[in-house]
Amino acid sequence: EADIYQTPRYLVIGTGKKITLECSQTMGHDKMYWYQQDPGMELHLIHYSYGVNSTEKGDLSSESTVSRIRTEHFPLTLESARPSHTSQYLCASSFGGQRGGGAQYFGPGTRLTVL
Amino acid sequence: AQKITQTQPGMFVQEKEAVTLDCTYDTSDQSYGLFWYKQPSSGEMIFLIYQGSYDEQNATEGRYSLNFQKARKSANLVISASQLGDSAMYFCAMREPHSGYALNFGKGTSLLVTP
Repeated sequence: EADIYQTPRYLVIGTGKKITLECSQTMGHDKMYWYQQDPGMELHLIHYSYGVNSTEKGDLSSESTVSRIRTEHFPLTLESARPSHTSQYLCASSFGGQRGGGAQYFGPGTRLTVL
Repeated sequence: AQKITQTQPGMFVQEKEAVTLDCTYDTSDQSYGLFWYKQPSSGEMIFLIYQGSYDEQNATEGRYSLNFQKARKSANLVISASQLGDSAMYFCAMREPHSGYALNFGKGTSLLVTP
């Protein structure tokens, strides 16, 4: 069973605040991902990591940043939140294409609302 | 570039009936992987089934099977004996080898199972 955690689950915050969305996994997966999803829409990749000290931007332009100092931890930071950042943020992890087809396991998501 | 197309925004099925959710894809890669995920109203993404491009047999996982037609570039999900708990959004996805094996998602199909 997948063990990947995200906190907070829900966050309502004012414009201009700095926020960090936490993501941790206990499966030892080397690859981790952040996706953004608006209600009823498809997921878009915003960041990914091959492993420790590796971070890359995804297809969707994002003003967020990520870090990967430990294998199990992949936090996402918004330096100055804006209403356009209102969305659901989903974290995922996998062994990549090498094992099991590279199925990704997702956390429960963080629903962010910026007022 | 890859493209995933799900042409059914919404589907209805009666409980205990089978339903097929359509997915077509486009890629220039010879080796690729296809996935289906379920997203209930609670928001988490649940991995259902995986099909590799070189797999000779269609994948099956319990009540889920994947009807893979490589020449037609289709990977339809078949749910047998639908249950009320199957009501959810369903996303078809393809592994993207050039972005850390991230997933490229279709727009999804909303399935409603009625009594």
